[in-house]
Amino acid sequence: QQKVQQSPESLIVPEGGMASLNCTFSDRNSQYFWWYRQHSGEGPKALMSIFSNGDKKEGRFTAHLNKASLHVSLHIKDSQPSDSALYFCAVTPSNSAGNKLTFGIGTRVLVRP
Amino acid sequence: GALVYQYPRRTICKSGTSMRMECQAVGFQATSVAWYRQSPQKTFELIALSTVNSAIKYEQNFTQEKFPISHPNLSFSSMTVLNAYLEDRGLYLCGAREGASSDYTFGSGTRLLVI
Repeated sequence: QQKVQQSPESLIVPEGGMASLNCTFSDRNSQYFWWYRQHSGEGPKALMSIFSNGDKKEGRFTAHLNKASLHVSLHIKDSQPSDSALYFCAVTPSNSAGNKLTFGIGTRVLVRP
Repeated sequence: GALVYQYPRRTICKSGTSMRMECQAVGFQATSVAWYRQSPQKTFELIALSTVNSAIKYEQNFTQEKFPISHPNLSFSSMTVLNAYLEDRGLYLCGAREGASSDYTFGSGTRLLVI
């Protein structure tokens, strides 16, 4: 059974600073990785996905994947107060329709103005 | 863009009664629909995954008898919480996606309070 763990549980970052979120997974067959962001009172929204080892940059967000180490991370550069939210790492073994997405417990990010 | 609407947004039901929640996909075809529950202090627990032309797969600890799901077409799904008790409280999220190459789009959830 896939286990997805995230750290830290919560993070306070000054505005303009860098937030770094970590995620480890247990199933070596995992192929697809997502970061979701959830603001209070809303459902989670997909922030970015990463499928290959290495870095993937989208604007201020960079995801890093190392399948051999069973590790994926998200880095938020120049953090803004609007980045304050719950961030979830989600993993699926493949992208076929029948495969489920397993979520971590989340990291709560607070960006202080 | 792809959107998922869930309703009601929040509901209160008496212990032992049942409550139905609905999920509407707009702008794409929901070939897969996943129902999750997000409880306080817990992450998303997958209840079941429904894929067109396949049987609905329930996760351990969740059964069709307790959480019957309908996925009659590519834009709609519903789930009922039968005989709800306190431990069923939480935010029920519907996530839908089209095909195998896209991410899940989630609705804002139905928050269930049982009294």
